[in-house]
Amino acid sequence: DAGVTQSPTHLIKTRGQQVTLRCSPKSGHDTVSWYQQALGQGPQFIFQYYEEEERQRGNFPDRFSGHQFPNYSSELNVNALLLGDSALYLCASSAGIVFRVEQYFGPGTRLTVT
Amino acid sequence: GIQVEQSPPDLILQEGANSTLRCNFSDSVNNLQWFHQNPWGQLINLFYIPSGTKQNGRLSATTVATERYSLLYISSSQTTDSGVYFCAVERDAGGTSYGKLTFGQGTILTVHP
Repeated sequence: DAGVTQSPTHLIKTRGQQVTLRCSPKSGHDTVSWYQQALGQGPQFIFQYYEEEERQRGNFPDRFSGHQFPNYSSELNVNALLLGDSALYLCASSAGIVFRVEQYFGPGTRLTVT
Repeated sequence: GIQVEQSPPDLILQEGANSTLRCNFSDSVNNLQWFHQNPWGQLINLFYIPSGTKQNGRLSATTVATERYSLLYISSSQTTDSGVYFCAVERDAGGTSYGKLTFGQGTILTVHP
């Protein structure tokens, strides 16, 4: 049973560039959420995708956008990168958007902005 | 939004010792999960425990939702238990926040041989 997968593992970008991170959910899951974890902090919710639509959004600027594909995989796009966007980006998947469902996380993509 | 506080922030133990990690939250929740983050950043699911008590080997957890806290117990700790432990909750907002987890700041556990 494949778990949540993310690519790439590491990424180095320059300020002002754009980046795309990818996530494939756990088998049987159809909902994907993205989180940003700065060094020394707990993960913070960016947004959630279900049925190819953004369902919830955290307190992140419009530079952060996403997409979900018919096979439930998802992309996180960040435009006009800032130094402060350097973080571990985590993807989580779950089955549906009803309450009381367990979420499972991928290994993360570590983004460094120079 | 909901506030999640974990204590202690840091914990240093000798191998074989027992420990209790606490998570307090400020509002009603639908869901509560405990995670262990390994040195490579992977969040490993420990417990999905919106209420009640669960045990898995040397680990157990209790959530008292009415009093807004959860406890994670680690018995006979091993060096491999080292890492950061996170509590994450999903606020009960009448159907508008399903799947949105709010994390605490974590407890950094170091187990020495």
